[in-house]
Amino acid sequence: AQSVTQLGSHVSVSEGALVLLRCNYSSSVPPYLFWYVQYPNQGLQLLLKYTTGATLVKGINGFEAEFKKSETSFHLTKPSAHMSDAAEYFCAVGGRTGGGNKLTFGTGTQLKVEL
Amino acid sequence: GAGVSQTPSNKVTEKGKYVELRCDPISGHTALYWYRQSLGQGPEFLIYFQGTGAADDSGLPNDRFFAVRPEGSVSTLKIQRTERGDSAVYLCASSFQGPLNTEAFFGQGTRLTVV
Repeated sequence: AQSVTQLGSHVSVSEGALVLLRCNYSSSVPPYLFWYVQYPNQGLQLLLKYTTGATLVKGINGFEAEFKKSETSFHLTKPSAHMSDAAEYFCAVGGRTGGGNKLTFGTGTQLKVEL
Repeated sequence: GAGVSQTPSNKVTEKGKYVELRCDPISGHTALYWYRQSLGQGPEFLIYFQGTGAADDSGLPNDRFFAVRPEGSVSTLKIQRTERGDSAVYLCASSFQGPLNTEAFFGQGTRLTVV
């Protein structure tokens, strides 16, 4: 079984400030981990993913995340927030099983960027 | 088209009616997934197809929900005797199938409203 916990349903930062969105996972098998972004009235867009290898993963729009097995975490960061980053962010875990790329999502974090 | 296409984008139906939601995946993607996203929640897995067959339908909430993919491309999610609780955005995703090809591409969803 797999699950994802995203701490903080709403996060507010100032433009130019560090963005930190927290994600902890639970998985009985080595996980695949993902961050997706959802802009209003749009579909989910993949920001970045961890499958194997380097634990620090860089994604689009300046985001990155670090897989920490000992902490079962995959927090998303960006050094400097931009107004265009305002959106909802979902962390997801997939299993390395025969079940394809079935994902279990967290409940999401709404990011607000203020001037 | 280049992306996953879902039709209709919006569907309003009366309680008790039957609805069909269509998903046209990215050409060549053998894996297809349906998710349901209720207001304020992350997407929840419904069913996964590998080719024409449903490899995992463990997320279907009850027997009113059914999905098909007869030719291994387009899929239809069918909901019988709709209830107000079925109101949600239904998301479709597709991907290549392989051990490292783990990125699923999502459509923009069909917003179903049961009145």
